[in-house]
Amino acid sequence: LAKTTQPISMDSYEGQEVNITCSHNNIATNDYITWYQQFPSQGPRFIIQGYKTKVTNEVASLFIPADRKSSTLSLPRVSLSDTAVYYCLVGDVYSGNTPLVFGKGTRLSVIA
Amino acid sequence: GAVVSQHPSWVICKSGTSVKIECRSLDFQATTMFWYRQFPKQSLMLMATSNEGSKATYEQGVEKDKFLINHASLTLSTLTVTSAHPEDSSFYICSARTPGDGSYEQYFGPGTRLTVT
Repeated sequence: LAKTTQPISMDSYEGQEVNITCSHNNIATNDYITWYQQFPSQGPRFIIQGYKTKVTNEVASLFIPADRKSSTLSLPRVSLSDTAVYYCLVGDVYSGNTPLVFGKGTRLSVIA
Repeated sequence: GAVVSQHPSWVICKSGTSVKIECRSLDFQATTMFWYRQFPKQSLMLMATSNEGSKATYEQGVEKDKFLINHASLTLSTLTVTSAHPEDSSFYICSARTPGDGSYEQYFGPGTRLTVT
């Protein structure tokens, strides 16, 4: 299972764009990159998933370079409610039995 | 998206007793469910993979006789913490996969806070 490395923590002011980069040097051909958000005492919540290039949804964008050894989660104009831990995971999403393995995550603190 | 529920949301039990936590997929069938444990300020740690109708696969270091997992139906998996001790106090989270357009999406329950006194 590919391991991921993220910054332990980040601070940002409200209204700013936040970019969290994740390294996954050993990503396999079949692996997708998925980001989850977790608030205290809650289960993780799916944010976005991608394989290559760029993916955008209503809450975030995911940038993946051609070599796929890293990825960047971009949160536009963060608010206080975006304060949470963000996890980057890689895994084969076409395998129903392969669990997602969590790294340490990035603790984002949004300041007013 | 799909919904995974857990019951109870929190439980307090005395040392030496057993506690059962339920995980249900509410609007989809899940042949595979996963159980995670999370200690304060730490990441989620995978405990076991639960397959409907078969024995669970436990991660290294997780005692299968202490953490009993049963996946009796396509919508229900249970985790029983037997002879609980204070060090078992943790946040337990289950997860289930549902097939999307060819790929599987993994959804997480809200978690169960276990406190052993």
